[in-house]
Amino acid sequence: EVQLVASGGGLIQPGGSLRLSCVASGFTVSDNYMSWVRQAPGKGLEWVSVLYSAGNTYYADSVRGRFTISRDNSKNTLYLQMNSLRAEDTAVYYCAREYYFGALDIWGQGAMVTVSS
Amino acid sequence: EIVLTQSPGTLSLSPGERATLSCRASQSVSSSSLAWYQQRPGQAPRLLIYDASTRATGIPDRFSGGGSGTDFTLTISRLEPADSAVYFCQQFGTSPRLAFGGGTKVEI
Repeated sequence: EVQLVASGGGLIQPGGSLRLSCVASGFTVSDNYMSWVRQAPGKGLEWVSVLYSAGNTYYADSVRGRFTISRDNSKNTLYLQMNSLRAEDTAVYYCAREYYFGALDIWGQGAMVTVSS
Repeated sequence: EIVLTQSPGTLSLSPGERATLSCRASQSVSSSSLAWYQQRPGQAPRLLIYDASTRATGIPDRFSGGGSGTDFTLTISRLEPADSAVYFCQQFGTSPRLAFGGGTKVEI
């Protein structure tokens, strides 16, 4: 079965760090463009970052310099390292596979990140 | 930066009726770059339509997409209770790379 399973969310204090993981099954992470998308409570969707199959990485202005996207090919896993976390980073974080011109066809179930003191 | 505006904010309809959702871009976009998603409460989004009008795998033909330039629509015919959800449009561009509309809530 083709799926993504995210983990690593939790409650963290402002200024802290957290790493999200997203394990893929049924397809190979390194062969695809993989994105992180977040959704603040009761709000819409916000694209966060993408990792190309070739290794290029891109970030939203709101997280550039604080977040890092990466992958471990041996574990078929996508990561999002989040540093210098702020209250406005509180959201459910989804990993997703890009299929066609940015269309995201496979989504993980989401990992909740709460930044609060 | 392209901004996607969805309307209406909420749509309340009865089973069997047709829903028409609008997504308007602040500037002309390629149809290839326009997608629609359904998000039920507590769930991740699900891809419905890509390339403006192509249904994703497993999506029933009650869902159809259309439009070009700056105006795109998602039509849901013969509404069912399970169609109650928030629907988002999305555009693939450069800055930001993926932009989402604010969503339309459909209540059945």
